[in-house]
Amino acid sequence: TQLLEQSPQFLSIQEGENLTVYCNSSSVFSSLQWYRQEPGEGPVLLVTVVTGGEVKKLKRLTFQFGDARKDSSLHITAAQPGDTGLYLCAGARFTGANNLFFGTGTRLTVIP
Amino acid sequence: GAVVSQHPSWVICKSGTSVKIECRSLDFQATTMFWYRQFPKQSLMLMATSNEGSKATYEQGVEKDKFLINHASLTLSTLTVTSAHPEDSSFYICSARDTLRRGHGELFFGEGSRLTVL
Repeated sequence: TQLLEQSPQFLSIQEGENLTVYCNSSSVFSSLQWYRQEPGEGPVLLVTVVTGGEVKKLKRLTFQFGDARKDSSLHITAAQPGDTGLYLCAGARFTGANNLFFGTGTRLTVIP
Repeated sequence: GAVVSQHPSWVICKSGTSVKIECRSLDFQATTMFWYRQFPKQSLMLMATSNEGSKATYEQGVEKDKFLINHASLTLSTLTVTSAHPEDSSFYICSARDTLRRGHGELFFGEGSRLTVL
């Protein structure tokens, strides 16, 4: 059973387009993180959201945590080829939790 | 930021041999490390939680005698794939949390190790 479902699973867009990736669950998380992974490498942390309704921006990336802390979204504006990669959301069920639950992943390809 | 190093980055071995993968936290202490397996184009699947000085906790369906985990120090965990077979071929990734700065669960990942069993 996958606690966190991501959609879409695959996304291929042209450079300059906008996109949104969703991370949904029926469970509540104390915090949620987004990672990006490039082929042959480990995931790299992009952001952590903690408060329901929180919005964080990282250059062209906007992350939002749902009000009920059950879902999150990642919006990329004017996508660039360098944004290509596997995006993973991951949630902690409670503060100080030893483990994270990873989402199913969204593989993004930005075509020049 | 915190750095986690994995070694080797890739390894090719014959069926039946054992392979050891190391995961080191280079600039912080990690009493807990995690081992994941990742199939092509898929998300990370947690295999086990490695605990410094005690036995690892394995996820359901993961054979502890097949995937031996040792966490002998605060900066090193090892995963040994014993009697490897072609179906064990995969990308193995470790992660660690800074023991002194647990925050909201941020994990730092190693670069991953690609195992190919012939």
